[in-house]
Amino acid sequence: AQKVTQAQTEISVVEKEDVTLDCVYETRDTTYYLFWYKQPPSGELVFLIRRNSFDEQNEISGRYSWNFQKSTSSFNFTITASQVVDSAVYFCALSEAGYGGATNKLIFGTGTLLAVQP
Amino acid sequence: DGGITQSPKYLFRKEGQNVTLSCEQNLNHDAMYWYRQDPGQGLRLIYYSQIVNDFQKGDIAEGYSVSREKKESFPLTVTSAQKNPTAFYLCASTTQYSAVNTEAFFGQGTRLTVV
Repeated sequence: AQKVTQAQTEISVVEKEDVTLDCVYETRDTTYYLFWYKQPPSGELVFLIRRNSFDEQNEISGRYSWNFQKSTSSFNFTITASQVVDSAVYFCALSEAGYGGATNKLIFGTGTLLAVQP
Repeated sequence: DGGITQSPKYLFRKEGQNVTLSCEQNLNHDAMYWYRQDPGQGLRLIYYSQIVNDFQKGDIAEGYSVSREKKESFPLTVTSAQKNPTAFYLCASTTQYSAVNTEAFFGQGTRLTVV
């Protein structure tokens, strides 16, 4: 069965520290997508990145970087030089294709609450 | 501005009442979804709709009902059969129901509390 595990419930860092959020997934599909979303206190989920199962290249976007390793079924997210505005809940998600056709159903992890202290 | 609008932001329900949460999108998206968020449990899928006049149950559909009469609208009714409805509800939409690669856009959520 498809599953996403975010073992870190809460992380607290001091501003300017680097922080890595872990994500481990399980799927039997050969084609799948992985996502990271940010949920600020306002509640709305903000899309950060999408990565398909055939592309294991790491990606960097400003202070954000993602490390995708199929061998360990992990898709970790690193924030470099963290800032107070990075404080939020971060969700990792897996896109599942349902029987009879793709459905775009997202399977979410339980989220990691990141608190960046000034 | 294009986006997803959920209303109301806060909703209080008495025991035994049905309540309806609104979700409207002007993104011209085909597929729409309802998720429930509880502390420490991430987001769980309640119902989803790939096309107008069609919808499917998600992982926790019991006690909920939906309709999809218009492409832009996907209201969720929390019925009295839902034993523990207090939660944060998020509506989402995607561009192509047949693609496993498009990001989901989310509304700002409705916080439902049973009083």
